Amino acid sequence: ILNVEQSPQSLHVQEGDSTNFTCSFPSSNFYALHWYRWETAKSPEALFVMTLNGDEKKKGRISATLNTKEGYSYLYIKGSQPEDSATYLCALRGGSSNTGKLIFGQGTTLQVKP
Amino acid sequence: SAVISQKPSRDICQRGTSLTIQCQVDSQVTMMFWYRQQPGQSLTLIATANQGSEATYESGFVIDKFPISRPNLTFSTLTVSNMSPEDSSIYLCSATAERKHNEQFFGPGTRLTVL
Repeated sequence: ILNVEQSPQSLHVQEGDSTNFTCSFPSSNFYALHWYRWETAKSPEALFVMTLNGDEKKKGRISATLNTKEGYSYLYIKGSQPEDSATYLCALRGGSSNTGKLIFGQGTTLQVKP
Repeated sequence: SAVISQKPSRDICQRGTSLTIQCQVDSQVTMMFWYRQQPGQSLTLIATANQGSEATYESGFVIDKFPISRPNLTFSTLTVSNMSPEDSSIYLCSATAERKHNEQFFGPGTRLTVL
């Protein structure tokens, strides 16, 4: 059974702080790693899809790195703003891409205080 | 990107009843999925909705409890049958777009409470 772990479970930071959180996954049977941002009552928003070891992707103040050999990905937020408050989910797509199946971690809930 | 809508957005239901959730995508998609998130748990895949044939269920989920339809490339329904309080969850529909199999889009979810 593939297991995806995220840490920390929750995080409270002050506006302007930079922060990061971790997604760990089995390094075998890897196809892609997805990051999503999920605000209450909204659709999870796709942030990144990462497929190559050493990948680094950036979207505004948010960036992510991937290490498939050791089985982890980091998500960084630079200069957090209150609107960054959300739950950040990572999901592993393993094996064949044809299944499309995603295995999610439990998420990291970020609260940014003004 | 594909825009996905779900109906209803939330509902409160009595034990023993059934609820059908609708999922509509604004463009043709290759694959559609149904997930649920129980309180304090991860998003978990229930099944892949196959167009014109029976859905493919994940371990622990069965057709009698979660019947799924997908009559065309843009629409699917999930029914939660004979509900119990343990079925209280957020149910999400997702889809992968044509020729963009790496991207998977989600609907806003249906928040179900079973009393």
